[in-house]
Amino acid sequence: SAVISQKPSRDICQRGTSLTIQCQVDSQVTMMFWYRQQPGQSLTLIATANQGSEATYESGFVIDKFPISRPNLTFSTLTVSNMSPEDSSIYLCSVGESSYNEQFFGPGTRLTVL
Amino acid sequence: RKEVEQDPGPFNVPEGATVAFNCTYSNSASQSFFWYRQDCRKEPKLLMSVYSSGNEDGRFTAQLNRASQYISLLIRDSKLSDSATYLCVVNLGGGSYIPTFGRGTSLIVHP
Repeated sequence: SAVISQKPSRDICQRGTSLTIQCQVDSQVTMMFWYRQQPGQSLTLIATANQGSEATYESGFVIDKFPISRPNLTFSTLTVSNMSPEDSSIYLCSVGESSYNEQFFGPGTRLTVL
Repeated sequence: RKEVEQDPGPFNVPEGATVAFNCTYSNSASQSFFWYRQDCRKEPKLLMSVYSSGNEDGRFTAQLNRASQYISLLIRDSKLSDSATYLCVVNLGGGSYIPTFGRGTSLIVHP
């Protein structure tokens, strides 16, 4: 399985600011995803990060709020823009080889917005 | 109706007990099924894939019932270390990758 790291592991941010989360994988992977997990809830897919093109967003998530980059097959960033307390959550990146395969998750970024 | 439903529990069982969880899904076109384990304040980790014929890995057995649209996870001889939240994941596959997570079932194994 791939080894995935995320930075930062946690952060406390002020309302109205933005935070960029990095996800680094130790090998090239086909698919990278960004999830959000709010307290006591399950994981919600934000978007699929596509290498060299715009991310594919799920219903309820937009590029202006969650811009995503994926410059190569081992790295992606998610930015949480103009944050509000409702954005407080754990953000996880994950990787997978195909739509049939299992996913492997990074350790997550715990975000608190004051 | 939610796409993937799980009883949140908690299931509180003694060591050595056998416990089973179910997970129902609404989309009959779903093609891939998994069980993940998530420990408190940690990321989910794959426990096992669920195959049409059912599969077993040590004390864990997963089964798929397509007719009734549910998957199950059976844990035999529960250990204290099995205490965690168990998430089921269902996705459509076939080029339309829509992984949908259940809310998870909490298991507490006590001495």
